[in-house]
Amino acid sequence: GENVEQHPSTLSVQEGDSAVIKCTYSDSASNYFPWYKQELGKRPQLIIDIRSNVGEKKDQRIAVTLNKTAKHFSLHITETQPEDSAVYFCAATRDSGYSTLTFGKGTMLLVSP
Amino acid sequence: DVKVTQSSRYLVKRTGEKVFLECVQDMDHENMFWYRQDPGLGLRLIYFSYDVKMKEKGDIPEGYSVSREKKERFSLILESASTNQTSMYLCASSLGSSGTDTQYFGPGTRLTVL
Repeated sequence: GENVEQHPSTLSVQEGDSAVIKCTYSDSASNYFPWYKQELGKRPQLIIDIRSNVGEKKDQRIAVTLNKTAKHFSLHITETQPEDSAVYFCAATRDSGYSTLTFGKGTMLLVSP
Repeated sequence: DVKVTQSSRYLVKRTGEKVFLECVQDMDHENMFWYRQDPGLGLRLIYFSYDVKMKEKGDIPEGYSVSREKKERFSLILESASTNQTSMYLCASSLGSSGTDTQYFGPGTRLTVL
């Protein structure tokens, strides 16, 4: 089955800095890679995703890049703000019936004012 | 807006008790999931269901069972609770059977087994 490794486990940045979270996956057939954000005491929510036919996707201050050859993908947050503080989970799956997401262990991002 | 609700935010049970965690979604979603969230271990899939009365084991099904008698409701059952099942339990649902459909999570149930 799929295995997703996520690094770092914690990341502390100053407000305005950029933050990068990296994930690697093992199943070369995986072709869908979402990122979920979980604020303290809240439920995880999808913030961005990327499919294997695309190398990069951006949505305002967040972007995700994918390197299929190396089997890794990354979340980039620019101009970080205190409200970006949360746990971020990457995940991977195949786009096929009854497939399920395999999540990374999560990264706690702390943005200091 | 998709709404996924869970029966309890906090639950305290004793070792050996039978425990029921309920999850309800109101958007006619096909797929429902139960995850366990532990610090440093991320979200681990316990069971999922892609249709009424259908269930599939996830990565850590041991010690758990599930029931889906109605499309909107998915129950997680701990037949005989043990202290190592103390955890946060998250339910989720998605529109269809594809793994690429967005998952919508419930608020979670923090279960403590004494």
